[in-house]
Formats: sequence, structure tokens, C-alpha cells
Amino acid sequence: DTEVTQTPKHLVMGMTNKKSLKCEQHMGHRAMYWYKQKAKKPPELMFVYSYEKLSINESVPSRFSPECPNSSLLNLHLHALQPEDSALYLCASSQESPRFYEQYFGPGTRLTVT
Amino acid sequence: KNQVEQSPQSLIILEGKNCTLQCNYTVSPFSNLRWYKQDTGRGPVSLTIMTFSENTKSNGRYTATLDADTKQSSLHITASQLSDSASYICVVSGKLAGTASKLTFGTGTRLQVTL
Repeated sequence: DTEVTQTPKHLVMGMTNKKSLKCEQHMGHRAMYWYKQKAKKPPELMFVYSYEKLSINESVPSRFSPECPNSSLLNLHLHALQPEDSALYLCASSQESPRFYEQYFGPGTRLTVT
Repeated sequence: KNQVEQSPQSLIILEGKNCTLQCNYTVSPFSNLRWYKQDTGRGPVSLTIMTFSENTKSNGRYTATLDADTKQSSLHITASQLSDSASYICVVSGKLAGTASKLTFGTGTRLQVTL
């Protein structure tokens, strides 16, 4: 099973709402990632979790809060977002290796902030 | 600064024709290079991944080449099909302290295959 699943597929939220994006993988990968992708742009790295610990935060605003409850799950909690945060949010995972990192991406959550 | 540049930015070809997409990178130290296909509104799907020692790698009608000396890669698509219409993203993996890798993404080539 080489699948990364994400829920929901689409999300519309107001600027005062609190919502969460979920990501799950069962490949035994120990690194998981959140990316943000705007239209016609490449994905931008937001967070990296390695062995369930946050290892990289790319200076993401605090209105985005990641959480890794266990090695298979990754959440992104959203609060007080701005319309410019509307984007495709991608989750990815990779097997830990010192030299070889194949990343598998989920289908993404299309987020619209109104 | 680590960068990945792709050309052309967009490309339109007729079904059945071949095409070649280019990728130049400055990422150092280099770990590996991947080509991803991304359909609109979907997550990227890996086509090939090449390490420093590999020059050519094929995946069906997709053939990637890598010249680590000149830091260039190409993706050749043979006998294109309508389903090849997508963005093709070149992604280079560098090395960070620790075991997680940070990828440098190119801006992609948007390919449209027409009848």
C-alpha cells in the first residue's frame, strides 16, 4: 500500500472558524510533511515531522498548527485564517533513510477561506 | 541558494508526438532528483527518482536522464497521450542534518497534449 490519504477533499471555512486537515499513511514511513500549493506554483514546504517530532517549521504563521499523534497520522489545525491562505494543502510521507527519500504525496485538500 | 529551473514553462504538442522537458539545478550537496507528474488539483505522483550515479531511468513512456556534472536533467515523453496533459515538476533532494530531507521544487512545465 503506497497510498497517502487526506481528508477532507474540499473545505470552505470562514476567517473565524477552527478546522483541521487530516493525513494518514500506512507505509511505515517515519517522516511526514505538510505543503501549501497555490495555483500554477510548486508546492511550498510548511512543516516536517521526523519520528513524530517537529523537525522543520518553515516560518509558518501560528494560525497553522501541526500535530502528529502517531507515526501514521498527521493533522493540520487551522484557526483565524486569511483569504490568502486559500490553496491546495498537500501531505506527504517518506521512509527514513540517510541517502534516499522517496516522497509519496496525498491527493490534497482544497481549502477556501471566505 | 538552492534552485531548480525548468523549461519550457508550457508546451503544447499533438497526440503521438514526443517531447523533452528540461531541468537545471544548483542544489548542493545533491542527494537525488525526481520527476513528478501533477494533474490539476491533485497531488504529485512520482515518475522517476535518480541518484548521483544514475544517468538514465525509464518508466514506461517516460525516460529521465541526469548529468550530475552539469547539473542537468531531462524528461523525455514518447508517443504522447491525452492523459499526459499535466504539470511536470522536477524536484531535487539535498541533504540536511538529521534524517528528513528538504526538497527543492522547480516551477514545473505545463504540458498539454491535443488531438
